[in-house]
Formats: sequence, structure tokens, C-alpha cells
Amino acid sequence: QKEVEQNSGPLSVPEGAIASLNCTYSDRGSQSFFWYRQYSGKSPELIMFIYSNGDKEDGRFTAQLNKASQYVSLLIRDSQPSDSATYLCAKLGAGNNRKLIWGLGTSLAVNP
Amino acid sequence: SAVISQKPSRDICQRGTSLTIQCQVDSQVTMMFWYRQQPGQSLTLIATANQGSEATYESGFVIDKFPISRPNLTFSTLTVSNMSPEDSSIYLCSVISTHQETQYFGPGTRLLVL
Repeated sequence: QKEVEQNSGPLSVPEGAIASLNCTYSDRGSQSFFWYRQYSGKSPELIMFIYSNGDKEDGRFTAQLNKASQYVSLLIRDSQPSDSATYLCAKLGAGNNRKLIWGLGTSLAVNP
Repeated sequence: SAVISQKPSRDICQRGTSLTIQCQVDSQVTMMFWYRQQPGQSLTLIATANQGSEATYESGFVIDKFPISRPNLTFSTLTVSNMSPEDSSIYLCSVISTHQETQYFGPGTRLLVL
């Protein structure tokens, strides 16, 4: 099993809907999780990070972490065509080197 | 967050040549990393650039092919040596700022090797 797994998609949602992106991880001891957005031809940009179980909201974005079930998700409310991108899930690796372990990303298409 | 610049933004190179990519940050950072992202793929970490000492390379990457320098807390270079078409990729610098836990990326260098 990969350390961080994401469904590659594409996930297609209509404009205004909620987009739900999911990520599972294999190491129960993982503590910190990150969601990045990457537009085609651009570098990844950080959307949110989450350390604690439960929900964390920032504008239209909500990150959800469930350590018991080893998944982290990103909800995008009122999806816009400008949200169409690849969403990368990452977790902080073990040790003090602060390296991120990356999923392969989920492609999201928001249709007008 | 730190402002990160990379030079060049893109280049087309002939096989067998080398290219040095620069990463400059506008503030001191604790960690600097170099990634590669091949077309349609996710990010692959090449190495951690250590200030004043040899970089720490990931499995599959070696210093002879990807020499890295980091002379101070705000600057690093990655050289792609003896290039082949398989090195065509986007090369990304990323940093973790002092007192932060999150990693930020530079704009990337798009390399095409013919």
C-alpha cells in the first residue's frame, strides 16, 4: 500500500456543487496533513493544513481529518470553474527531516 | 509566506549538456528542497539542500547527476548534469520558512532536453 493514496479522477462536479476529495494514508502515527492545489503548468500552492482530528474551515474549503480511519478529505463548497485543478494530498514524513510524502493527486473539473 | 524565485523559468537544452537552476528566497528559511515533476506525474523529491554541507539525496538520485549547492539560508542551485531526454521535466524548489511548518513552492523551471 502506498503511504498516501488518492483517487486520480477525474472528479467532475457541476458549478455550485460540493466537491469532495479524499486521501488515505498507511501510517497510523502520521500527524500533519496538507492539501495543495496545482493548476496545469503551474507549481503547487498550499490550500490548507490540518493536524487535529475533526474539521478545519477556511472560506469555501474544509479539511477533515480522521486519524482512526486514516483518511483526510478536502471539501470545496460552491465549486467554481476556477477550482478546476489537480489537488495533491501530502503528509509529513517520520523523523525530523520535515519531508512531505505525496499522493499522486486528484484531477477536479468543475463544469459551468 | 516567503517569496521564491527560480531562474531560468524554462530552457531547451541539448543532450549531454548541463543546466544550473537557481532558487532565491526573500527571507531566511530553515529547509530547502528540490523536486522533479515529470509530465502528468506527481512530485518526486530529489534532495534536501543543506546549508554549508552536502545535500541529502533521495533513493534514485545521486550527487554526480544532480549536484546541489546551498551557500546560505536564502539561495540554492540544482545542476542537471549530462542531460538526456528523460530529464525533461519541471524542476521545483520548495522551502519551509523559519517558525513555520508549511512548505511553499517556487514557480518551477521547465526543462526540455532534445
